[in-house]
Amino acid sequence: EPEVTQTPSHQVTQMGQEVILRCVPISNHLYFYWYRQILGQKVEFLVSFYNNEISEKSEIFDDQFSVERPDGSNFTLKIRSTKLEDSAMYFCASRGGGFDYTFGSGTRLTVV
Amino acid sequence: QKEVEQDPGPLSVPEGAIVSLNCTYSNSAFQYFMWYRQYSRKGPELLMYTYSSGNKEDGRFTAQVDKSSKYISLFIRDSQPSDSATYLCAMGGTYGNNRLAFGKGNQVVVIP
Repeated sequence: EPEVTQTPSHQVTQMGQEVILRCVPISNHLYFYWYRQILGQKVEFLVSFYNNEISEKSEIFDDQFSVERPDGSNFTLKIRSTKLEDSAMYFCASRGGGFDYTFGSGTRLTVV
Repeated sequence: QKEVEQDPGPLSVPEGAIVSLNCTYSNSAFQYFMWYRQYSRKGPELLMYTYSSGNKEDGRFTAQVDKSSKYISLFIRDSQPSDSATYLCAMGGTYGNNRLAFGKGNQVVVIP
């Protein structure tokens, strides 16, 4: 069964450092998303990406965040200068066109 | 009022019992409704989706939607220890690229 692959599974970074979280969506999917889940809290939407541009972003997705689809298969989330409160599970998701909304296993980001 | 409310209390049931979970929502523009299962430190896995009021069955799982009351439910019949997980409701359709709004999740433990 097709799946969304995320790497790394766990990343520890120093406050103020840049991190890049990587995702390989399902190959024929058109819509791509990042969500995050702070421990014990809801899964929250960050950003959606379609046709090589951001289609929507939440208020969480400020100037410290950026997304890119550099080569037609990878989809990345960059956090430019990490803060302690960025510590969370980050989930990539992709969707073809219907309800086939598929999530990856996530990257656990720990900012120290 | 929060967009999606799911009473996050844990639920322990004996094997074979019926598990009943529910969510309420405030945004009447939501078009479709999903239930996800999430194991610890893993990504949400789609269990069921529906976009109309009424019931939808898939094996031991039944999803129920009442749009007039803004209320959705998930029932798990003949629960098994392998059903032990966190169950998240999610809904979407208000936004151009269908970002999902999640409930907080219910941790379900099925005791053998």
